[in-house]
Amino acid sequence: ETGVTQTPRHLVMGMTNKKSLKCEQHLGHNAMYWYKQSAKKPLELMFVYSLEERVENNSVPSRFSPECPNSSHLFLHLHTLQPEDSALYLCASSHAHTQGLNGELFFGEGSRLTVL
Amino acid sequence: EDQVTQSPEALRLQEGESSSLNCSYTVSGLRGLFWYRQDPGKGPEFLFTLYSAGEEKEKERLKATLTKKESFLHITAPKPEDSATYLCAVLLVWVNYGGSQGNLIFGKGTKLSVKP
Repeated sequence: ETGVTQTPRHLVMGMTNKKSLKCEQHLGHNAMYWYKQSAKKPLELMFVYSLEERVENNSVPSRFSPECPNSSHLFLHLHTLQPEDSALYLCASSHAHTQGLNGELFFGEGSRLTVL
Repeated sequence: EDQVTQSPEALRLQEGESSSLNCSYTVSGLRGLFWYRQDPGKGPEFLFTLYSAGEEKEKERLKATLTKKESFLHITAPKPEDSATYLCAVLLVWVNYGGSQGNLIFGKGTKLSVKP
């Protein structure tokens, strides 16, 4: 496989469930990102891992918990979500830059999350 | 407040009818401007990076230009396969007591439809 792969592509969960989103990149990058995309709103950065260390979380609610076990894998653990958390969650990767984020991102196809 | 505004929100063209999309920004500490293409149900695909006013980049029927306050994505003789949402993003980098930090701010996008 090549590029950035996200699983599952679609997820429906209740507010009391616990689930995880998975992302894997085969591009040799050393930075990975989670973005949230809601209808009629710009992409929102949630988390950044550069060289496997978290560098940004943008005040995301604690019901979202990221995990980056190595430079190729990224997880987003979900628990006690709210209906307003329903959105497309996009994973991206890039080469790490010493001055913060890199704008040349390679995105996966996203995980469409619906919270009932 | 740092802001990225894209216009129009939606654009319908006939095949072969050239036009331009606009991305204006009010930010400080700009370190780059990026264009992405997003097809329905897919993640954004990186197109161009522009770093300084006067810079231009081309790819097939697309040409991106940058001034001090805005960027244009010119589409020459578009085809139906150019139909997509085009996203603009600006990379900001700033220095504080914690060192260098950055953020990539996206606009809401322009949805382009090209009819045969």
